[in-house]
Amino acid sequence: KNEVEQSPQNLTAQEGEFITINCSYSVGISALHWLQQHPGGGIVSLFMLSSGKKKHGRLIATINIQEKHSSLHITASHPRDSAVYICALADNDMRFGAGTRLTVKP
Amino acid sequence: NAGVTQTPKFRVLKTGQSMTLLCAQDMNHEYMYWYRQDPGMGLRLIHYSVGEGTTAKGEVPDGYNVSRLKKQNFLLGLESAAPSQTSVYFCASSGTGRIYGYTFGSGTRLTVV
Repeated sequence: KNEVEQSPQNLTAQEGEFITINCSYSVGISALHWLQQHPGGGIVSLFMLSSGKKKHGRLIATINIQEKHSSLHITASHPRDSAVYICALADNDMRFGAGTRLTVKP
Repeated sequence: NAGVTQTPKFRVLKTGQSMTLLCAQDMNHEYMYWYRQDPGMGLRLIHYSVGEGTTAKGEVPDGYNVSRLKKQNFLLGLESAAPSQTSVYFCASSGTGRIYGYTFGSGTRLTVV
């Protein structure tokens, strides 16, 4: 079983919808990262969380350490949010989820 | 502010050829990493370095070698390329301690025919 499981694998939404991407993990961690990979391939770090909640613009990330679960929310989604979102665990090593491919249609 | 720069961006190799991928960072980061990304799979760590002159194996090190002679550069070598090494390769760097934010390069798309 993969240490990092993301759901859903693929997600299609209409512009303006509220998006939630989930990440569950099975090991102890120091921190969890949410990354964004656009169709061009570049990877950008969105958040690094060790507890609680962080917000940046329309993006919100939460983590529950006891339940080993994190969520990434996008409010008022826009076509430019279309990308692959990757959850990654940071401890002695960095382990990545397979990613969630989000498509936001106008 | 360049961040992490990878060269080349694209390369096609014949089976058995060798090549070196270069990663350069200008943020004075201690930690540097090489990952490969294959369709349907998460990024997988090939090798990493925790400082100048040090390297260590990651999850999928076979068929690759690395060197970190200068703090700002991390080189990934393929001595004898195989079709199974067709992938997109990403370099990343981070500050002291892996819990700090990562900066990724833009990737190198390698095809081995």
